[in-house]
Amino acid sequence: EPEVTQTPSHQVTQMGQEVILRCVPISNHLYFYWYRQILGQKVEFLVSFYNNEISEKSEIFDDQFSVERPDGSNFTLKIRSTKLEDSAMYFCASNSGTGETDTQYFGPGTRLTVL
Amino acid sequence: GQNIDQPTEMTATEGAIVQINCTYQTSGFNGLFWYQQHAGEAPTFLSYNVLDGLEEKGRFSSFLSRSKGYSYLLLKELQMKDSASYLCAVKDSNYQLIWGAGTKLIIKP
Repeated sequence: EPEVTQTPSHQVTQMGQEVILRCVPISNHLYFYWYRQILGQKVEFLVSFYNNEISEKSEIFDDQFSVERPDGSNFTLKIRSTKLEDSAMYFCASNSGTGETDTQYFGPGTRLTVL
Repeated sequence: GQNIDQPTEMTATEGAIVQINCTYQTSGFNGLFWYQQHAGEAPTFLSYNVLDGLEEKGRFSSFLSRSKGYSYLLLKELQMKDSASYLCAVKDSNYQLIWGAGTKLIIKP
């Protein structure tokens, strides 16, 4: 069964450093998302991406964040200058954009720790 | 504002039935999802409701009442592996998923 994959599974970085989180969505999916979940808190929407551009973004997704689909398979989230409060699980998700349920399928997540 | 409410935590006994409620107030409605999330793992899809009524899928069922802004997830014949958080999420008018904080379900033998 196809699945969303993410790398790395864990990332430790120093405050102020740039990080790039990588995702490979399911191959025939057209819509891609990034979410974050701070430990013990709810899942929070960051950004959605369709047709090579951002379709929606939340207040969390400020100028420090950017997304890119550099090739036909990868979808990346970049945080330019990490802050302590960026420490969280970051989940990538994708959906096909078709079908009745149009379910979003999640990757296993990247645990980001900012020191 | 947009709001989704679910109980923080529930406890049930192995083999029993449990109902997890979710109420929502969102700008528009394009479907309600239930996801299961084990600690440290990604949410996995359980069910989807867009019309009123009950959707049954094996041991899990989900109910929706759009007029009441209410849904529940019913888990039957509980197993220890069902211990997890259950997340209610609503797709709003922008087709963005708005998430509840999740209900942590503890199953006791």
